[in-house]
Amino acid sequence: AQSVTQLDSQVPVFEEAPVELRCNYSSSVSVYLFWYVQYPNQGLQLLLKYLSGSTLVKGINGFEAEFNKSQTSFHLRKPSVHISDTAEYFCAVSEATGRRALTFGSGTRLQVQP
Amino acid sequence: NAGVTQTPKFQVLKTGQSMTLQCAQDMNHNSMYWYRQDPGMGLRLIYYSASEGTTDKGEVPNGYNVSRLNKREFSLRLESAAPSQTSVYFCATTRGQVPETQYFGPGTRLLVL
Repeated sequence: AQSVTQLDSQVPVFEEAPVELRCNYSSSVSVYLFWYVQYPNQGLQLLLKYLSGSTLVKGINGFEAEFNKSQTSFHLRKPSVHISDTAEYFCAVSEATGRRALTFGSGTRLQVQP
Repeated sequence: NAGVTQTPKFQVLKTGQSMTLQCAQDMNHNSMYWYRQDPGMGLRLIYYSASEGTTDKGEVPNGYNVSRLNKREFSLRLESAAPSQTSVYFCATTRGQVPETQYFGPGTRLLVL
């Protein structure tokens, strides 16, 4: 079984500042790693995913994440945030085989202030 | 294309009442999932269906039943609603191939009094 830990439940940041949202995972099998974003009163949409290859993954809206196997981490970063980035961000893992359902972290609410 | 649609958007039930949440996708995907979202807990898998005619339990299946009616539709039924089932319910789909991107519906907000 796998699990995902997002240590920060809320991250306040000023507009145009950089941000990092932390994600750590554990699993006994190979996994794929994802970041999803949820805007208020909406469903989730994919920001980016790590499948294999380069450990630095670029996604939509200027976000990127780095897979670190030794630290079992997949932190999300953006060099300069906008007000429109205010949302909840979920890190998730799925097994590379089997049911392939997602296991989610508890989420991090990013609050961008002017 | 509508993608993934869910009905209803909102529902209020009394304890003991039953209801069915509907999910439909026009993406021709094989796999469908039901999740519930509770504050501070992320999303948890209730049931999933790898293909038409098959269903399997997820992390929190108690109190729920599902039906994969055809390739497009996957319904979630609460036979006797309880206040602990107050949540936001999301349906999702994937093609069923590796690697996966899941596509989510807009959610159903359920309040059980």
